[in-house]
Amino acid sequence: QSALTQPPSVSGSPGQSVTISCTGTSSDVGSYKRVSWYQQFPGTAPKLMIYEVSNRPSGVPDRFSGSKSGSTASLTISGLQAEDEADYYCCSYTSSSTYVFGTGTKVTVL
Amino acid sequence: QVQLLESGGGVVQPGRSLRLSCTASGFTFSSYPMHWVRQAPGKGLEWVALISSDGSNKHYADSVKGRFTISRDNSKNTVYLQMDSLRSEDTAVYYCARYYYDSGGYQTDAFDIWGQGTTVTVSS
Repeated sequence: QSALTQPPSVSGSPGQSVTISCTGTSSDVGSYKRVSWYQQFPGTAPKLMIYEVSNRPSGVPDRFSGSKSGSTASLTISGLQAEDEADYYCCSYTSSSTYVFGTGTKVTVL
Repeated sequence: QVQLLESGGGVVQPGRSLRLSCTASGFTFSSYPMHWVRQAPGKGLEWVALISSDGSNKHYADSVKGRFTISRDNSKNTVYLQMDSLRSEDTAVYYCARYYYDSGGYQTDAFDIWGQGTTVTVSS
């Protein structure tokens, strides 16, 4: 199972919006609404930001939103803040009853 | 407080074995399927294994299938990862994680509680 493809980095100024793509195949992202997104700071465990493509757990700011089209899922951060600077990973359920993570994207706030 | 605590990491030679443990507290462990996820130094997250709440179903990533075994002891609120025939590419921080249940009590395919991780280094 190959990792889902994400851009290595994205950047934006405070207040701007950035979007991170997550491209998979018909065996994972393309076939299921079972995509989640995680935020990770260096040396810490990941934090769940989005589940089932577009749902936010309690406590996650509504600046974070998710969507999916075909085999590509996306995470959008609106109104970018300095505290959003971190690594972000997507994850999808697969047809093999396993899970696959994305390659990860570093978000830089300029 | 809902918490997962991993232990058992260390330095091990290639070809040897190591067993990781993850002990849960603050929730009904026996109701939750559990996962192991790893992260090699400077690299991304990699899903490793899943075990059902009663231990009857297990799934593995291709990269560890046949070498790693996930198990659990619900009486001890603990999930294990037995790692055999270790390779240098298994060097990573290993996290255990549980499924997220939404506000309606529905099990999602996301992971909401993670441990702090335990470091495994495979080196001669």
